[in-house]
Amino acid sequence: GESVGLHLPTLSVQEGDNSIINCAYSNSASDYFIWYKQESGKGPQFIIDIRSNMDKRQGQRVTVLLNKTVKHLSLQIAATQPGDSAVYFCAESYQTGANNLFFGTGTRLTVIP
Amino acid sequence: KAGVTQTPRYLIKTRGQQVTLSCSPISGHRSVSWYQQTPGQGLQFLFEYFSETQRNKGNFPGRFSGRQFSNSRSEMNVSTLELGDSALYLCASSLRRGREETQYFGPGTRLLVL
Repeated sequence: GESVGLHLPTLSVQEGDNSIINCAYSNSASDYFIWYKQESGKGPQFIIDIRSNMDKRQGQRVTVLLNKTVKHLSLQIAATQPGDSAVYFCAESYQTGANNLFFGTGTRLTVIP
Repeated sequence: KAGVTQTPRYLIKTRGQQVTLSCSPISGHRSVSWYQQTPGQGLQFLFEYFSETQRNKGNFPGRFSGRQFSNSRSEMNVSTLELGDSALYLCASSLRRGREETQYFGPGTRLLVL
């Protein structure tokens, strides 16, 4: 949901392990969700998206799960690599006819070699 | 295909000045959105332009404005800068409008107001 003032959750994982990053979204009317990865000094990079008529979607090494009942989104990264270290944001979209995104606070993922 | 480009990448201004930031979307993309990112507030939507018209606006004061040109390039302007305007300003483009259109972000312009 909307970012409010921010203590950034952190997650540290060993290289090769799987990572799970969670996000609680705010609006039950949201029907499109995106995960972005942001590395230091760069803009957010699209990872994967999911529409509300799905509960799971897989990409390369990533899986997004959507639980509309509890308004929860998760991003699973398989075999986490040092290059996966970044801040991960979930974003939701719910405004009809508009494509402005509402971002979560982000989670900092640190991969330990 | 080249990504979203933003200029300048870094900018230092003083309070009271005004600033203009530029964004070139991915070729063929017609929608451009602007976001402000700060440590305190996170990523917040500023406004969206499509076909040279502002289509959607976030909750920011009128000091923040923008425009889009016929080639879809966009500029945003902040007048009477305040210290709190220090932020990373991100531009994102998408092919069309609509809430299921994937937005692709540029690297941002980091603005420091002294």
